[in-house]
Amino acid sequence: EPEVTQTPSHQVTQMGQEVILRCVPISNHLYFYWYRQILGQKVEFLVSFYNNEISEKSEIFDDQFSVERPDGSNFTLKIRSTKLEDSAMYFCASSGPIQNTGELFFGEGSRLTVL
Amino acid sequence: AQSVSQHNHHVILSEAASLELGCNYSYGGTVNLFWYVQYPGQHLQLLLKYFSGDPLVKGIKGFEAEFIKSKFSFNLRKPSVQWSDTAEYFCAVNASSGGSYIPTFGRGTSLIVHP
Repeated sequence: EPEVTQTPSHQVTQMGQEVILRCVPISNHLYFYWYRQILGQKVEFLVSFYNNEISEKSEIFDDQFSVERPDGSNFTLKIRSTKLEDSAMYFCASSGPIQNTGELFFGEGSRLTVL
Repeated sequence: AQSVSQHNHHVILSEAASLELGCNYSYGGTVNLFWYVQYPGQHLQLLLKYFSGDPLVKGIKGFEAEFIKSKFSFNLRKPSVQWSDTAEYFCAVNASSGGSYIPTFGRGTSLIVHP
């Protein structure tokens, strides 16, 4: 069964450092997402991406965040200067291929710890 | 914008007990509803979904959920839980028309089933 893969599974970084989280969505999917979950809190939407551009983003997704699909397979989330409060589990998801029904396929998540 | 509330944050049951996890949403239009499950160390995966039709939907592993439109609820049920049902359960909703397709998640319910 096709799946979404994420790397790294866990990253520890110092405050102020740049972090890139990588995702390989399911190959024929067209819609891509990043969500995050701070420990004990809701799974929060960050950003969605379609047709090589951001389609929606939340207020959490400020100028410190960016997303990119540098080639036909990877979908990356970059945090330019990490803060302590960025510590969370980051989930990549994809959906498609024809209509965006809201049913998502998730990766296993990347746990980010900012010290 | 839609929002989701999961009232049970932690549930502890013995095997063979019945399960009901509450989910309420707020949104004025038509919605798609989902329950996702995350087993320890694994990715979020779809348990069941409701788009339209019969409001009682059946998912994998003996789970079912009932959409009650008048109560804005989509509670998850299982008549007899097993130890292997220990997991985190997330309710999600997205607008099926006239709004954002981006699913909004609840904070999750941690279920522990004792053997």
